[in-house]
Amino acid sequence: GENVEQHPSTLSVQEGDSAVIKCTYSDSASNYFPWYKQELGKRPQLIIDIRSNVGEKKDQRIAVTLNKTAKHFSLHITETQPEDSAVYFCAASTNTGNQFYFGTGTSLTVIP
Amino acid sequence: GAVVSQHPSWVICKSGTSVKIECRSLDFQATTMFWYRQFPKQSLMLMATSNEGSKATYEQGVEKDKFLINHASLTLSTLTVTSAHPEDSSFYICSAPPPSNQPQHFGDGTRLSIL
Repeated sequence: GENVEQHPSTLSVQEGDSAVIKCTYSDSASNYFPWYKQELGKRPQLIIDIRSNVGEKKDQRIAVTLNKTAKHFSLHITETQPEDSAVYFCAASTNTGNQFYFGTGTSLTVIP
Repeated sequence: GAVVSQHPSWVICKSGTSVKIECRSLDFQATTMFWYRQFPKQSLMLMATSNEGSKATYEQGVEKDKFLINHASLTLSTLTVTSAHPEDSSFYICSAPPPSNQPQHFGDGTRLSIL
């Protein structure tokens, strides 16, 4: 089955700096890669996703890059704000409608 | 937009009790739903895939007799934790994929605490 690894497990940045979270996956059949933000005790919220036919996608301060050959993808948050503090999960799937395999999570703290 | 409703949000019960959690797709039909479990400070682990009108597909290591899944209609899947014990205490979350290749939606999750 799919194995998704995520690094780092914790990340602290100063407000205004950038944050980068990296994930690798093992199943070459995976072609959909969403990123979720989860606050304590709440449901994961989709923040951005990318499909395998695209190498990069950007939405305001958030961007995701995908390297299919190397089987890794990354989340980039620029101009971080305290409200960005949360746990972030990457995931991989063979389709948007199929089961997700999640990374281990990154606890991001943005220091004001 | 598409919404997935999960109920109850929090359950506290005694060891040995069976607990049923409901997951509903409110404005779309879901032939498939997914159940995840999340222990504190850990990731979401896929437990099983719920298939409408047929048996659920369980991930390796998940006891099907312990975690009963029923997907009797196109808008409702239930997860029953049978004879729950303290080690079953966790955050259980369902998700359902809307049609037309849209991103999945998660329920609000159920915090299960077994005393």
